[in-house]
Amino acid sequence: GENVEQHPSTLSVQEGDSAVIKCTYSDSASNYFPWYKQELGKRPQLIIDIRSNVGEKKDQRIAVTLNKTAKHFSLHITETQPEDSAVYFCAANNAGNMLTFGGGTRLMVKP
Amino acid sequence: NAGVTQTPKFRVLKTGQSMTLLCAQDMNHEYMYWYRQDPGMGLRLIHYSVGEGTTAKGEVPDGYNVSRLKKQNFLLGLESAAPSQTSVYFCASSFLAGGDEQYFGPGTRLTVT
Repeated sequence: GENVEQHPSTLSVQEGDSAVIKCTYSDSASNYFPWYKQELGKRPQLIIDIRSNVGEKKDQRIAVTLNKTAKHFSLHITETQPEDSAVYFCAANNAGNMLTFGGGTRLMVKP
Repeated sequence: NAGVTQTPKFRVLKTGQSMTLLCAQDMNHEYMYWYRQDPGMGLRLIHYSVGEGTTAKGEVPDGYNVSRLKKQNFLLGLESAAPSQTSVYFCASSFLAGGDEQYFGPGTRLTVT
């Protein structure tokens, strides 16, 4: 089945710096790659997603890139702010068209 | 719209006890899911449903049962709780399957002693 690896598990940056989180997937048939943000004690919420027919997608300060050949995708956050502090999860759809999630990255933005 | 709601929010069980977690959604979504969240392991799919009256096994189904008698409700049952089932449980729903946004409930924190 699908396996999604996410790195790093924790990331600490200064406010205003950029943050990059990387994920790899195993199933070459995967074609949908969402990113969810989970603030402390809250529910996960979708922040951006990308489909396999595009290589990059941007939404204000966040962007996602996809390399289908290498089977990896990344989340980029620019000009980080304290409210970006959260756990971020990547995911990929699997053969059963369900989502397989990565292990999560705890991002801490220091003011 | 309330979105996705879950009851209860917290529960402590003794080993061997049973309980049912209730998930409800008011978005008319066909797909519903139960996940468990453990530190460092992300969200793992327990069971899911592709419509009223249907259920299917996910990645970690052992020790759990589910039912979807009504489109808006998805129940997760633990027949004989074990300490390994201590976790945070999230329900989610979506209009389509794996290529669509999933809306999560607030979670249920379960401790089995």
